Amino acid sequence: NAGVTQTPKFRVLKTGQSMTLLCAQDMNHEYMYWYRQDPGMGLRLIHYSVGEGTTAKGEVPDGYNVSRLKKQNFLLGLESAAPSQTSVYFCASRSDRGDGYTFGSGTRLTVV
Amino acid sequence: AQTVTQSQPEMSVQEAETVTLSCTYDTSESDYYLFWYKQPPSRQMILVIRQEAYKQQNATENRFSVNFQKAAKSFSLKISDSQLGDAAMYFCAYSQGGYGNNRKLIWGLGTSLAVNP
Repeated sequence: NAGVTQTPKFRVLKTGQSMTLLCAQDMNHEYMYWYRQDPGMGLRLIHYSVGEGTTAKGEVPDGYNVSRLKKQNFLLGLESAAPSQTSVYFCASRSDRGDGYTFGSGTRLTVV
Repeated sequence: AQTVTQSQPEMSVQEAETVTLSCTYDTSESDYYLFWYKQPPSRQMILVIRQEAYKQQNATENRFSVNFQKAAKSFSLKISDSQLGDAAMYFCAYSQGGYGNNRKLIWGLGTSLAVNP
């Protein structure tokens, strides 16, 4: 099925470890986003991309890096995980039209 | 800066009845989109309905409809004939329109809807 695929779905990291979350979309969307969702705080934008080879910071970019080497993929990296990065991470994409965003199923990350 | 406010953290409705979820927003833009997303316990974020600001007609999708009051900057969601499967967290979101901008979503904090049998 067409859509946004996130891997992995769950992960537990130790403080200081690194990891990469992968987001892949097969809808030829230009725009891709990474959000984190925390209880009582709604969704907050971490980084986004308006096209292949571009990235930009969102509301809460510190501690994260991203890359968009291919149009269909948007990677989110944690270089040195901290307990404050325990959250559910969502990737989303959209076309250049005003359609709604398509979301992945989320990644639950726990940093201990 | 744009903001989205959902003033009802929790609501409940009896099965088969109607419920309205409130959302207000603040923007100085004239071209924008408004959305309602549903997040069930599976945590998947599902688009329920969208409204384009330049369209006066309220959007409708089956049992879901909105009351879009542009002057008042209000965008409420009405769920008719509520079903058990409607139980979820509902988020109101705003996105700037036009081409050439990032159109990132601005989110409300959500309303948790319980449906009682």
